[in-house]
Amino acid sequence: SYVLTQPPSVSVAPGQTARITCGGNNIGSKSVHWYQQKPGQAPVLVVYDDSDRPSGIPERFSGSNSGNTATLTISRVEAGDEADYYCQVWDSSSDHYVFGTGTKVTVL
Amino acid sequence: EVQLVESGGGLVQPGGSLRLSCAASGFTFSSYWMHWVRQAPGKGLVWVSRINSDGSSTSYADSVKGRFTISRDNAKNTLYLQMNSLRAEDTAVYYCARGWYSSSHGGNWFDPWGQGTLVTVSS
Repeated sequence: SYVLTQPPSVSVAPGQTARITCGGNNIGSKSVHWYQQKPGQAPVLVVYDDSDRPSGIPERFSGSNSGNTATLTISRVEAGDEADYYCQVWDSSSDHYVFGTGTKVTVL
Repeated sequence: EVQLVESGGGLVQPGGSLRLSCAASGFTFSSYWMHWVRQAPGKGLVWVSRINSDGSSTSYADSVKGRFTISRDNAKNTLYLQMNSLRAEDTAVYYCARGWYSSSHGGNWFDPWGQGTLVTVSS
């Protein structure tokens, strides 16, 4: 089965840039989506199709995908961005949906 | 406003059964694929199952295949998950989510999600 690997944690100072990676075999050939989950809340979609943003998501959130790594970038980080972030793809060979291991973003 | 509201969670003994429901509103329910995703306490997200718009096609994670059944009633705008032969490792918050598909990129994602319902399997 397809595996997505994320760093367990990322720490960033307010106003700086956070980069969260999502590693998978030839992930650049797949479409990657990202979710933000705050404690006690349901996940919220922040990026879909590698780099598109749903309405209402700030431009500070951006995504890229190439080779074996997809990246979610949060620019000008704010305290309210502190959350868990998950990447996700659809594995067409199995018709299964796969989530990454999750990354906890801490704002210092 | 698009809304998904799960219900039916609770405490059940190992080997028992439970049926979860997800009431949808604010969109044309019958036009969308729907999914169940779960999250064990303190753990990450795990996809469980999906159903296509008319209910004719389903898919399951290996961990629940043969024990769980996803279904929908488009007349009632409601998604279901019948869970049988429950195990301790099925303990989780279960979320329903609307599915999206991008024909240009071949991507499938979830938006929005319900608030979740907690299922606890314990004796």
